[in-house]
Order: sequence, then structure tokens, then C-alpha cells
Amino acid sequence: KNEVEQSPQNLTAQEGEFITINCSYSVGISALHWLQQHPGGGIVSLFMLSSGKKKHGRLIATINIQEKHSSLHITASHPRDSAVYICAVNRMDSNYQLIWGAGTKLIIKP
Amino acid sequence: EAQVTQNPRYLITVTGKKLTVTCSQNMNHEYMSWYRQDPGLGLRQIYYSMNVEVTDKGDVPEGYKVSRKEKRNFPLILESPSPNQTSLYFCASSRDRIGEWYFGPGTRLTVL
Repeated sequence: KNEVEQSPQNLTAQEGEFITINCSYSVGISALHWLQQHPGGGIVSLFMLSSGKKKHGRLIATINIQEKHSSLHITASHPRDSAVYICAVNRMDSNYQLIWGAGTKLIIKP
Repeated sequence: EAQVTQNPRYLITVTGKKLTVTCSQNMNHEYMSWYRQDPGLGLRQIYYSMNVEVTDKGDVPEGYKVSRKEKRNFPLILESPSPNQTSLYFCASSRDRIGEWYFGPGTRLTVL
């Protein structure tokens, strides 16, 4: 079993819909990251969380440390949000490695 | 502008011909890392560095070397590339262990 699991693997939605992508992890962590990878390949960090909730524009990320679960929400989705969204965690007891989820491929149709 | 640069962006080479992919960051970050990304396998860490002259193996270090002689640079060296090293490579840097990571644009390598 992977230490970081994302769901769904693939998600197709219509423009304007509210999107939720989930990330569950099985290890103790010191931080959780959400990143975005566009079809062109570049990877951009969206959020880094150790507790609570963060918001940036139409993106909201939440984390529940007790449940070992995080969600990434996109409000009023737009075709330009189409990308792969990746969850990664810093293990609390580890060195300096990130453990990566497999990613969620999101397609927003106009 | 804060950035991580990688060169070359695209490279086609032949088996056994030594190559170096350069990585440089202008943010004075201590932590740097190399990843490869293959379809269906996600990002896998090759090597990482916590500071100058301090490096350690990631999950898939075989066939790769790195060096960290200066804080800003972290080159990835393939001494004798093989076709199974055909992949998309990313360099990344971070200010500290749990800080935000900044990624380079990627290097698409094909080994024939």
C-alpha cells in the first residue's frame, strides 16, 4: 500500500463546477504539499500545510492531521485549471525526502 | 525573479555517452533535489542535497551521480546513459526541510 494515496485518479468536470481532490497518508508528517503540473510539464507549488486551511484565489486546501487526510478544492472551475494535481508529504521521522502521491488528472470542459 | 533553471531542456543522446544536466537556483536555498518522472510511476527522487558537499541517495540513484560544490548549483551526471534512463527530469530547491519547493522547467532526455 502506498504511503500517500490520492483520489480520484482522473476527474472530468464541466466549467463552473466545484472540484474536490483528496489525499490520504499513512505516516506521521511534518507538512503536506499540493502541487500542480500543467500539460507542458512544469510543476508549481500551490500550498504547504501543517494544519488547518489555506486559501489562494479559487483554490482552498485543508488538512485534518488526526484523520491523516487533506483535500484540495477548486471553486468555479475553469478550463485553465486542467492539470495534474499532486499531493506530497514530509515524513516526520525521515530525512529530507518527500513522499509523493500518484497525482490526479483533472480536465475541465468548457 | 526567483527561479530554478535547468539545461538542456531537451536532449537526445546515445547509450554510453556521458552527459550532465545542470541545475541552478538563485534563491540561496540549502536543499536541492533531482527527480525523474515516468508515465504511471509519478515522481521518483534520484538524489538530494542538504547543503554544500552534503548529498544523499533518493529512491532511484543507480546510474546517476551528483555534486554540490556551490550552494546554487546541483548538476546531475549520467556517466554511461542507458535507454532505461529515458525520462523527464526535474530539479527542485527549497529553503528548508519542510519549506515550499521550487521546480525547474524539466529536462526531457532520450537515450537511444
